[in-house]
Amino acid sequence: DAGVTQSPTHLIKTRGQQVTLRCSPKSGHDTVSWYQQALGQGPQFIFQYYEEEERQRGNFPDRFSGHQFPNYSSELNVNALLLGDSALYLCASSFGVEQFFGPGTRLTVL
Amino acid sequence: DAKTTQPNSMESNEEEPVHLPCNHSTISGTDYIHWYRQLPSQGPEYVIHGLTSNVNNRMASLAIAEDRKSSTLILHRATLRDAAVYYCIRTFQGGSEKLVFGKGTKLTVNP
Repeated sequence: DAGVTQSPTHLIKTRGQQVTLRCSPKSGHDTVSWYQQALGQGPQFIFQYYEEEERQRGNFPDRFSGHQFPNYSSELNVNALLLGDSALYLCASSFGVEQFFGPGTRLTVL
Repeated sequence: DAKTTQPNSMESNEEEPVHLPCNHSTISGTDYIHWYRQLPSQGPEYVIHGLTSNVNNRMASLAIAEDRKSSTLILHRATLRDAAVYYCIRTFQGGSEKLVFGKGTKLTVNP
């Protein structure tokens, strides 16, 4: 079992651009959550997808949007990038209590 | 958001037990306690969770106070690989709830 995979590993963008991050959940998991982790901080919940619908959302602006596909994989889109969006973006999948995290995508906004 | 309080950092020696405390004085009757840890340059990793009773698994033990206002994660024999940031998290229910991370406790393990 490959576990949770995320792509790309690293990404550099400039202010105002748009970015799409991808996540493949662990086999058999139907729920995907996205988190943002700034340097030195704990992860912050962005949103969660279940059965292709956004089920919960954290305190993030509408610039952050997502999608879940029928195979349960997911994308995180961020529009109009700001310098403050530079962070590690983590995807977690679950089918019950335990959430399995991927290694993250490091996004740098210049 | 559900609030927990943890020390910023703790230090331990290899092969000794480690007790990581967490305060959750405003916990309600249906809140679960979860522990995750994050090793350097990795995503968080589930450690253990519980509701009222003490819990054990291959990684650790979770001791929950009788009044449930605090809990302790116990690593029975610390190894260098246990050096990580440990997060204590409350959730409303035991399902795939959103996890509200604080700053956690940075555990240093000395050889």
